[in-house]
Amino acid sequence: GENVEQHPSTLSVQEGDSAVIKCTYSDSASNYFPWYKQELGKRPQLIIDIRSNVGEKKDQRIAVTLNKTAKHFSLHITETQPEDSAVYFCAASIIKAAGNKLTFGGGTRVLVKP
Amino acid sequence: DVKVTQSSRYLVKRTGEKVFLECVQDMDHENMFWYRQDPGLGLRLIYFSYDVKMKEKGDIPEGYSVSREKKERFSLILESASTNQTSMYLCASRDSESGANVLTFGAGSRLTVL
Repeated sequence: GENVEQHPSTLSVQEGDSAVIKCTYSDSASNYFPWYKQELGKRPQLIIDIRSNVGEKKDQRIAVTLNKTAKHFSLHITETQPEDSAVYFCAASIIKAAGNKLTFGGGTRVLVKP
Repeated sequence: DVKVTQSSRYLVKRTGEKVFLECVQDMDHENMFWYRQDPGLGLRLIYFSYDVKMKEKGDIPEGYSVSREKKERFSLILESASTNQTSMYLCASRDSESGANVLTFGAGSRLTVL
């Protein structure tokens, strides 16, 4: 089955700096890569996703890049703010008609210091 | 907004007890999932269900079973709870027909097995 590795496990950045989280996956058939954010005491929520037919996607201060050849994808957060402090999870799956299951990475705890 | 409701936020059980974790969603989603969340291990899939009365094993099904008798309800059952099942359990649902692959999570059920 799919295996997703996520690094680093913790990340501390100064407010205004950039944060980068990297994930690798094992199944070359995976074609959907979402990122979920979980604030303290709250449920995970989707913040951005990318499909394998594009290499990069941006949404305001966050962006995701995908390298299918190397089987890795990354989340970039620019101009970090205290509200970006949370645990971030990457995931991978194969989209198919019958539905799909997401395999998550181990999570990255991001702390933005004011 | 889709609501995924987990009936128990905190449970304390004894080793060997049978435990039921209930999850209800109110948006007629076909797909439902049970994950457990442990620090450093991310979200690991226990079981999922594509539709009523359908279930499939996830990555860590041992010691668990599930029931989906109605579309809106997906129950996770621990037949004989053990201390290594102490964890946060997250239920999620997804609308498979829309083409979106967004998981909507419940608030979680924190289970402690003594």
